[in-house]
Amino acid sequence: SQTIHQWPATLVQPVGSPLSLECTVEGTSNPNLYWYRQAAGRGLQLLFYSVGIGQISSEVPQNLSASRPQDRQFILSSKKLLLSDSGFYLCAWSGQGATYEKLFFGSGTQLSVL
Amino acid sequence: GENVEQHPSTLSVQEGDSAVIKCTYSDSASNYFPWYKQELGKRPQLIIDIRSNVGEKKDQRIAVTLNKTAKHFSLHITETQPEDSAVYFCAASRGDDKIIFGKGTRLHILP
Repeated sequence: SQTIHQWPATLVQPVGSPLSLECTVEGTSNPNLYWYRQAAGRGLQLLFYSVGIGQISSEVPQNLSASRPQDRQFILSSKKLLLSDSGFYLCAWSGQGATYEKLFFGSGTQLSVL
Repeated sequence: GENVEQHPSTLSVQEGDSAVIKCTYSDSASNYFPWYKQELGKRPQLIIDIRSNVGEKKDQRIAVTLNKTAKHFSLHITETQPEDSAVYFCAASRGDDKIIFGKGTRLHILP
């Protein structure tokens, strides 16, 4: 069966520090991968999505970036965090065939920028 | 791009009563409309979805209706139970791999 791993679960970082959140999927190949941010009152905001290695679509202009160095690995990064980057970050995947368009979320990372 | 509006932001209903959450979308090319439930401290999980070629879909106490002309869709929960308390998200997609969510509805089931 397919599983998605996301880490770390919680992170406290000072303003101006770098960020790296990692997500990996097991049990499937060529998944679509997504990064969402959940902030109070703003629902699930799509940040990036990827349909293949090296293919990244950005939805929100910001100081965050994403990379997909391997088929089942998705990384969210920042060179310098802002206070406004605080939030709950969720990685998700969707597959092919019967699971097409059905999102499966990771357990999330609670990021606090101080 | 697609924009999904969801109402209400908070909803309280007596246990046993029905709950209705409504969403509108802007992109007429959207053809897939899922609903996700997020319990406190947990990840969102798909509970029901509907495609644009049908107007209604039901799964036990949960149903979703879609009006493509008006570009709105709704989630209906009947005979609500305490375990229905959660945040519910609607979403829309036109099949280009991008899924856009509404801001969520916090549903409280009152004893």
